[in-house]
Amino acid sequence: GQQLNQSPQSMFIQEGEDVSMNCTSSSIFNTWLWYKQEPGEGPVLLIALYKAGELTSNGRLTAQFGITRKDSFLNISASIPSDVGIYFCAGGNAGGTSYGKLTFGQGTILTVHP
Amino acid sequence: GAGVSQSPRYKVTKRGQDVALRCDPISGHVSLYWYRQALGQGPEFLTYFNYEAQQDKSGLPNDRFSAERPEGSISTLTIQRTEQRDSAMYRCASSTNGNEQFFGPGTRLTVL
Repeated sequence: GQQLNQSPQSMFIQEGEDVSMNCTSSSIFNTWLWYKQEPGEGPVLLIALYKAGELTSNGRLTAQFGITRKDSFLNISASIPSDVGIYFCAGGNAGGTSYGKLTFGQGTILTVHP
Repeated sequence: GAGVSQSPRYKVTKRGQDVALRCDPISGHVSLYWYRQALGQGPEFLTYFNYEAQQDKSGLPNDRFSAERPEGSISTLTIQRTEQRDSAMYRCASSTNGNEQFFGPGTRLTVL
């Protein structure tokens, strides 16, 4: 099935560094979402973006909905050890024929060294 | 408040057996979704419901897979005549607006 192209696949950083990851698609989406998944748990919603060009923050997290509606990025500032996990982007199209179906990227594995 | 719950958390079965996976969505959430997640991959859509109506089942791999949500709340994903390739994490999510989906802990299915 269709998957979003998420990069980088993994990141190893020092505590306190900033992190940036992005997600691209060949298709347009009306909504972009970012999730975090920790071992043994389901994905947890971090940020939802609904408008092209929109920049949204949630604490140390900032995400943007690309102007072309085919990409999004997530930044994490001043990383801490509990940021460790897998970050997934997801695209959705509320109101279309595939209303409700989310298409996910393959994830970015983040490791933070104290 | 209670989140999405799934049961069982782990299921080991023999090839050829039928399995039923249960999802209890967040109370009041109209929409319910089933995804399958392979190791090292993001979740892949299987099917979803608005209330009791199955709106899209395009992601179900074949006719051995079926899902129901008879009263618009709890849902069951059934896999008949399981095969080893069905082994995966099966995740359920629920939503009020169709996009912000909240996931349960998943059911890890292993087919021997």
